[in-house]
This record gives sequence, structure tokens and C-alpha cells, in this order.
Amino acid sequence: EPEVTQTPSHQVTQMGQEVILRCVPISNHLYFYWYRQILGQKVEFLVSFYNNEISEKSEIFDDQFSVERPDGSNFTLKIRSTKLEDSAMYFCASSEGTSNTGELFFGEGSRLTVL
Amino acid sequence: QKEVEQDPGPLSVPEGAIVSLNCTYSNSAFQYFMWYRQYSRKGPELLMYTYSSGNKEDGRFTAQVDKSSKYISLFIRDSQPSDSATYLCAMNPITGNQFYFGTGTSLTVIP
Repeated sequence: EPEVTQTPSHQVTQMGQEVILRCVPISNHLYFYWYRQILGQKVEFLVSFYNNEISEKSEIFDDQFSVERPDGSNFTLKIRSTKLEDSAMYFCASSEGTSNTGELFFGEGSRLTVL
Repeated sequence: QKEVEQDPGPLSVPEGAIVSLNCTYSNSAFQYFMWYRQYSRKGPELLMYTYSSGNKEDGRFTAQVDKSSKYISLFIRDSQPSDSATYLCAMNPITGNQFYFGTGTSLTVIP
């Protein structure tokens, strides 16, 4: 069964360092997303990406964040200068069509710990 | 104002019980409603999705949407210990790609 894969599963970094989280979405999917979940809190939308550009982003997705699809298969989230409050589980997701299809498939997440 | 509200539980039931999980929402623009299951430290796994009001059944799971009351439910029949997980509701409007999640309800099914 096709799945969204994410690497690394866990990353520990020092405050102020850059972090890149990687995702391989399901191959025939066209829409890609990053969500995050701070421990004990809701899953929160960060950004959606379609046709090589951001289609929507939340208030959380400030200038410290960027996304890229560098090679047609990987989808990356970069945090330029990490803060303590960036510690969370980051989930990549993909969907075949727009959110109107209602089906969003998540990866297993990348746990980011900022010290 | 919170977009989606969900009782976090925890909810503990004996094996074989019928489980009812619920969410309320405030945004009348929401049209698509999803239920996800999340095991500890794993990604959410899509269980069911429905469009607008009505019921949808899939095996032991039934999803209900009542848009007039802004209320959605997930029923699990003949609950099994393997159903023990956190159940998240999620929804989004007909336009836009942002899904709004509830906090999740932690369910334990006791053998």
C-alpha cells in the first residue's frame, strides 16, 4: 500500500540551528502539506503546496519556514533558525486532489527536539 | 473562538461496547469531515470521511454529520482492544486546503 515516508524520525538540534525535514509523498498525489503537533496539543496546519508553489499557509508558517520540492519526489520543510517552541512532531501529508476529496494521508512524523 | 472542539477523554470501555466519539465546530463553511486514528507517536491514519450531512458506514465504524447542529460523531461497534488509540476529528471548508483538527479523544478498550 502506498505511503508517505518521512526522514529523520527524530532530530535533536541546538537553538538557532537550521533543520531540514524530508518527506516522500505518495507518488500520484499532487498536493502536499506540512502539519505539526506540539506534545499534548492539536495537529496544526502549517502549509500546503501545489504545482511547485505554496497554495496556503498558516500564521505559524513565518519567514523562518520554507518548503521545497527539489527533485520531483522529495518535499522538504526547512526551519532556518530553530527556537525552543519549534519542538514538535512534524507530519508531512499528501492528497491526490484538492482538499475537496477529503482524503489526506499522513506520514509517521519527524520528531524535532530543540535544545 | 475555537474552530473545532473535541472532548479529550480519556474514554475507557470494555471490549464489545459501542463507542461514541463526538466533535462540535463553529465554522458553517466546513463541508468535509474526517476521522483519523492515531496511535502513540505515529501519524494520523484516515478512518473515514464524509461530505456534508448524513451517515457513512464502513464495517464497525459509522460516521454521522449533522450540519444544522454543527456536530459530528464516530460510532465504533463491537469495540476491540486494537481500537485503543486517539481519535481525531478533522474538517475543512469547500475552498482552501487547511484541515482543522480537534484535540483528539483517547480511547482504551479493555479486554
